[in-house]
Amino acid sequence: EAGVTQFPSHSVIEKGQTVTLRCDPISGHDNLYWYRRVMGKEIKFLLHFVKESKQDESGMPNNRFLAERTGGTYSTLKVQPAELEDSGVYFCASSQVAPSPLHFGNGTRLTVT
Amino acid sequence: AQSVTQLDSQVPVFEEAPVELRCNYSSSVSVYLFWYVQYPNQGLQLLLKYLSGSTLVKGINGFEAEFNKSQTSFHLRKPSVHISDTAEYFCAVTFRDYKLSFGAGTTVTVRA
Repeated sequence: EAGVTQFPSHSVIEKGQTVTLRCDPISGHDNLYWYRRVMGKEIKFLLHFVKESKQDESGMPNNRFLAERTGGTYSTLKVQPAELEDSGVYFCASSQVAPSPLHFGNGTRLTVT
Repeated sequence: AQSVTQLDSQVPVFEEAPVELRCNYSSSVSVYLFWYVQYPNQGLQLLLKYLSGSTLVKGINGFEAEFNKSQTSFHLRKPSVHISDTAEYFCAVTFRDYKLSFGAGTTVTVRA
């Protein structure tokens, strides 16, 4: 089966610009998660979708971050406007039934200059 | 709330030598425990998991981990490492839900 796919793999933007990250989960996985690793820190939970509904978005840093999951398939994470502290690696993961082990994508490395 | 401490940030090791990566967690309730590995330029891959049952868990690539409830530890071991085991390793816990708490990671560098 195809794994979790994230696009782009790298993104370099200037402070104040907008960036949209995309995640395609494994087909049939209702649960989709976003995590982030800021340089030198732990990987932190951002939010969790069950199908198209946000189950938990307690980890979202602030209202500059907007996540959507259209039709319960792929998900996007938009950062607008980006700030320097948003730099890091954004991971997407999916699973069939929580709390089964998560399948992670390769991540998107975001650099805000 | 759970927290995870990986006691070593960097572990250099020679090829064919054993390696142990230490992980301690804090939680007032029972948890599920995981080890993930991230090879260079790749995503996180599950090595092994402890949900219940036997405290000695065997995973992929010859790794194993032992759950010790009294010491709240879940140390990862491999008796003989290969160059290809060079990667970053993450310990993670969750309490019967989806929200993983990760340790800071341990970078293992295997040298010939």
